[in-house]
Amino acid sequence: TQLLEQSPQFLSIQEGENLTVYCNSSSVFSSLQWYRQEPGEGPVLLVTVVTGGEVKKLKRLTFQFGDARKDSSLHITAAQPGDTGLYLCASRGGATNKLIFGTGTLLAVQP
Amino acid sequence: NAGVTQTPKFQVLKTGQSMTLQCAQDMNHEYMSWYRQDPGMGLRLIHYSVGAGITDQGEVPNGYNVSRSTTEDFPLRLLSAAPSQTSVYFCASSYDGIAAEQYFGPGTRLTVT
Repeated sequence: TQLLEQSPQFLSIQEGENLTVYCNSSSVFSSLQWYRQEPGEGPVLLVTVVTGGEVKKLKRLTFQFGDARKDSSLHITAAQPGDTGLYLCASRGGATNKLIFGTGTLLAVQP
Repeated sequence: NAGVTQTPKFQVLKTGQSMTLQCAQDMNHEYMSWYRQDPGMGLRLIHYSVGAGITDQGEVPNGYNVSRSTTEDFPLRLLSAAPSQTSVYFCASSYDGIAAEQYFGPGTRLTVT
């Protein structure tokens, strides 16, 4: 069974700092989705990466897919309090063909 | 469009009680899923549906039933609530498939005492 490991589990930073969170797997990803979940809400899709080495940008967020498609990272530049939330990665779970989620990185950006 | 809606937002049950969590979507998506979210466990798939009249089990189906009589609605039934079912429940829908990009509802926080 494919497992998605996210690191760090928790991150508390000051407004304006940069940060990177990671999603790693023991298996090759077919594609990878990144979601953000704000407190009391459901996850919202940020981006899907498909091709090894792919880089996608969404305003201050940069998503990178590893060349071997076994890892991905999310970099936030000049974090703002509105970036606070749980960041989840998800991918198709190998033979199960279902969506598997990582346990997430909980980000708190202090003003 | 309202997207995916869930009711109720909060619920407290006693052990052994039954209830139905409601989920509806207005995006005409064929694929719908129920997940539960527990601290340190991530989101885990309970049941899913690939279209009206078709449902199947996910990773943690025990103690839950589903049905899909229409494209729009996908209720989740707890047959006899147990404290282990205390969790936050999310309904999701998708246009492209069960493992494709998901649109989530706002969730139901359930406590079983």
